Amino acid sequence: NAGVTQTPKFQVLKTGQSMTLQCAQDMNHNSMYWYRQDPGMGLRLIYYSASEGTTDKGEVPNGYNVSRLNKREFSLRLESAAPSQTSVYFCASGGRVGYQPQHFGDGTRLSIL
Amino acid sequence: KQEVTQIPAALSVPEGENLVLNCSFTDSAIYNLQWFRQDPGKGLTSLLLIQSSQREQTSGRLNASLDKSSGRSTLYIAASQPGDSATYLCAVIEVGGSNYKLTFGKGTLLTVNP
Repeated sequence: NAGVTQTPKFQVLKTGQSMTLQCAQDMNHNSMYWYRQDPGMGLRLIYYSASEGTTDKGEVPNGYNVSRLNKREFSLRLESAAPSQTSVYFCASGGRVGYQPQHFGDGTRLSIL
Repeated sequence: KQEVTQIPAALSVPEGENLVLNCSFTDSAIYNLQWFRQDPGKGLTSLLLIQSSQREQTSGRLNASLDKSSGRSTLYIAASQPGDSATYLCAVIEVGGSNYKLTFGKGTLLTVNP
């Protein structure tokens, strides 16, 4: 059972480059989420998708775009990476938004120089 | 704006001790509260989710309580083991219409010494 799989696990980018972080879940969950985790700031929600075909902004959406490709996959895109986006990015999936526990991937460690 | 505080920031205990981790939040209009653990270099593992209408949830050696009126939740760990060493995070969830908000605390780093 893979659960929530994130790729890549590590990435180094230069300022201005673009990149897409991939996330896939095999638990037939309706909702999926993207978070970033920064020292001293804790975990913050970037975007979420309550169900296939819908996406909504979280607390810190600026500089990011998302695509819910199908029920299994939810990608996060940085169009023009900035050093402030250096962080650990986590994808999660769950049942009904707000009512059921979320299950997390192991994260993508992203450094932007 | 919802603020979630976890005290203490770090805790070190000998194996076998019972312990309590605290989580407080400023806005009591929450929908539910979830406790997670995070191991170094890993994602979060969900431990317990307490609905706002509930007062507590139990899973094995873990018991989480919720007092919405005072804006507090506690996570009780019985008979702690070295494998319990991790960072413990609480998150409060607010749901209103189509809006969903989740706010995490900064966590308590627990070390259980053999």
